[in-house]
Amino acid sequence: EAGVAQSPRYKIIEKRQSVAFWCNPISGHATLYWYQQILGQGPKLLIQFQNNGVVDDSQLPKDRFSAERLKGVDSTLKIQPAKLEDSAVYLCASSLAFPYSYEQYFGPGTRLTVT
Amino acid sequence: QQPVQSPQAVILREGEDAVINCSSSKALYSVHWYRQKHGEAPVFLMILLKGGEQKGHEKISASFNEKKQQSSLYLTASQLSYSGTYFCGTGKIETSGSRLTFGEGTQLTVNP
Repeated sequence: EAGVAQSPRYKIIEKRQSVAFWCNPISGHATLYWYQQILGQGPKLLIQFQNNGVVDDSQLPKDRFSAERLKGVDSTLKIQPAKLEDSAVYLCASSLAFPYSYEQYFGPGTRLTVT
Repeated sequence: QQPVQSPQAVILREGEDAVINCSSSKALYSVHWYRQKHGEAPVFLMILLKGGEQKGHEKISASFNEKKQQSSLYLTASQLSYSGTYFCGTGKIETSGSRLTFGEGTQLTVNP
């Protein structure tokens, strides 16, 4: 079974530039999550989708971050404009539908460096 | 509210035991444990549910004290492969998924 795919794996940009990350979840997984993991910290949930609808985006800085999940499969997370404090690993995860939704499968992440 | 993990770091020799604790100031409905090796994605270890049900697939055990709002992860006879950072995540399991808040992590190093 193929895992969660993310691209790019690494990205270096200057502050005020824009960047986009792509995620392809495991086939058949209804729920998709985007997390931000700052070095030395635990993952922080940014946004959660179920199929193509947003379940929770309360921690997404909406003035600069946006995300979409078209057709309930792939998802894109965008930052525009980037700030220095956005430097982090952005993890995408997916899970099966309830009642098997407790296990989240994480992708390898995208390491973003903002200079 | 972010759960608090302790200790922050622990160093073991192969074969030794370790306990990692996770506590919350809010009522716990479920506790999820993940392990993340350096440069890799977090991997699910175990979930503990209110009411005592436990699901996992590795030879690692855990407890869940609902009254004290705490969970502990027990790693016995540690192996080199146990090295990594352990995160506990707390939250509810809902029909839309599990909305988790993760702790800061406990870095475990197992030496030969």
